[in-house]
Amino acid sequence: GAVVSQHPSWVICKSGTSVKIECRSLDFQATTMFWYRQFPKQSLMLMATSNEGSKATYEQGVEKDKFLINHASLTLSTLTVTSAHPEDSSFYICSARDEAGTGGEQYFGPGTRLTVT
Amino acid sequence: SQQGEEDPQALSIQEGENATMNCSYKTSINNLQWYRQNSGRGLVHLILIRSNEREKHSGRLRVTLDTSKKSSSLLITASRAADTASYFCATDSTSGTYKYIFGTGTRLKVLA
Repeated sequence: GAVVSQHPSWVICKSGTSVKIECRSLDFQATTMFWYRQFPKQSLMLMATSNEGSKATYEQGVEKDKFLINHASLTLSTLTVTSAHPEDSSFYICSARDEAGTGGEQYFGPGTRLTVT
Repeated sequence: SQQGEEDPQALSIQEGENATMNCSYKTSINNLQWYRQNSGRGLVHLILIRSNEREKHSGRLRVTLDTSKKSSSLLITASRAADTASYFCATDSTSGTYKYIFGTGTRLKVLA
């Protein structure tokens, strides 16, 4: 089946620094990827839709200047958490849509755990 | 919020019993998917059911979909301790955005 990877799987950074998380579709091309955030014991909340070659679409309440998304190729989207603060500590999960699939299924990455100290 | 609701929020059963989780959503959908998530880990895809399907089976899993009620259920039969996890439903709307919105989740605990 289709595979989506994320890197790193976990990261610890100091408050005020920026962190980049990569999401890759390994065996299919994805013009559309999605970024989710999950706080402990909560569900996944959609942050933004990443569109290859164009600007990302952010959900209401998500700061686009804080969470920078770049989708420079058909297999890679990156999420950069800028000037990270402890409240940004969370589990970040991406998904990629396989347009070539029969139903345009989405496949999820394994997630990246970010801890800001 | 567009987020779907799942109930129960938490469920504790004995090994061998069946577990049923329900999901309600708010908009017309193309697909509904169920996922499992072990504590602190990524999502594991369980089943996708399309809006024109009413029931689907996969091993010990049975999923139903009632689009008139905007609801779905996940049944796990003959549960095992290894089924202990959080279960989420996710729906994509017919708006053409391909976004999946997740339900609030059910935390299942299967006691050995």
